[in-house]
Amino acid sequence: QKEVEQDPGPLSVPEGAIVSLNCTYSNSAFQYFMWYRQYSRKGPELLMYTYSSGNKEDGRFTAQVDKSSKYISLFIRDSQPSDSATYLCATRFSGGYNKLIFGAGTRLAVHP
Amino acid sequence: EPEVTQTPSHQVTQMGQEVILRCVPISNHLYFYWYRQILGQKVEFLVSFYNNEISEKSEIFDDQFSVERPDGSNFTLKIRSTKLEDSAMYFCASSGASGGEETQYFGPGTRLLVL
Repeated sequence: QKEVEQDPGPLSVPEGAIVSLNCTYSNSAFQYFMWYRQYSRKGPELLMYTYSSGNKEDGRFTAQVDKSSKYISLFIRDSQPSDSATYLCATRFSGGYNKLIFGAGTRLAVHP
Repeated sequence: EPEVTQTPSHQVTQMGQEVILRCVPISNHLYFYWYRQILGQKVEFLVSFYNNEISEKSEIFDDQFSVERPDGSNFTLKIRSTKLEDSAMYFCASSGASGGEETQYFGPGTRLLVL
């Protein structure tokens, strides 16, 4: 079983749509959950960061973690063409130097 | 805003040659990492580094690889005797001093092509 599973897409939506991106993970000991955005041939850019379960909102972005079902989500409201990128979920154990374990990334295209 | 920088942005080398990839982490960060991403695949952890020693390494990080912090600002990844399958994007990342609460910030990557 993969540690982090993420549907690679691609996902194509019209501008203004609400986008839902999801990952599942296998190890209940994971404590930190991140969403990164990656434009083509660029480095991952941190979008959202959540510790344990709950919701976190930042502008048009909302991250949710449900540890009981080992499910993490990113919602994008009022999606824009500039949101077109690959979205990577990642998780890690507690401890400052612990490695990030990434999902495969979901490719999102927002068309005008 | 502070950022992680990496040089070179692209590197082409012949199989069997040695390459050194360079990174300047965010200045007050204490934890440093290398990841790689083979084209079309997921980002994979290679190694973490703290207090001038390796904290953890993956099974990918074999004797062919080494890391060093030669001075107060640079963090390098050396690949000895490169193989075709080493072709990938290599990302450096760093995280802050408070340990568990911090997350990792990535550089723009070095695209390595081994011919």
